[in-house]
Amino acid sequence: SQQGEEDPQALSIQEGENATMNCSYKTSINNLQWYRQNSGRGLVHLILIRSNEREKHSGRLRVTLDTSKKSSSLLITASRAADTASYFCATDFYGTDKLIFGTGTRLQVFP
Amino acid sequence: DTAVSQTPKYLVTQMGNDKSIKCEQNLGHDTMYWYKQDSKKFLKIMFSYNNKELIINETVPNRFSPKSPDKAHLNLHINSLELGDSAVYFCASSPALQNTEAFFGQGTRLTVV
Repeated sequence: SQQGEEDPQALSIQEGENATMNCSYKTSINNLQWYRQNSGRGLVHLILIRSNEREKHSGRLRVTLDTSKKSSSLLITASRAADTASYFCATDFYGTDKLIFGTGTRLQVFP
Repeated sequence: DTAVSQTPKYLVTQMGNDKSIKCEQNLGHDTMYWYKQDSKKFLKIMFSYNNKELIINETVPNRFSPKSPDKAHLNLHINSLELGDSAVYFCASSPALQNTEAFFGQGTRLTVV
């Protein structure tokens, strides 16, 4: 399966702490994206990082990409209760026209 | 303004029935998708259309038939519904087939009883 694997599957932290989620994939990619899904809602795009980029920032989000290890990480700094959601990585595989989603990490931030 | 809207939000129906889910995007995007999210939150692509043409059909049973009357609409018709079809179905759109973010609708929770 081309589906990415994310770990941890679930993560619980206190407000103010940092949260790190990891994504691993199997074949060459054009880009890797991170999405957030609040309970009962659709997915919202967070960041897209291209295969020739190594790091990208957006507000409190920092994404890294290591194509040699076929892995990416999403760091949320100074987390807030409103960050509670499921986070998915999605890969745009080279030679295909489809976005394949990972298994997701459920993040719970306690106030 | 809702960018990607799908209706209905909830759908409860009996086995064997035929149902449709509608999707519209007002973003001017060329590409639209249907995804299925199961009870374990796994999100799997079903179909993608680019400029009204079918690009991807991911080994979905032929009871599922997408229809794209124009670039802004991608509807999903399901015949002879089965219990295993119960899931949340998401419509999404993107400016192009590759290297762009996808915009998702709110989802349609289908329950087959």
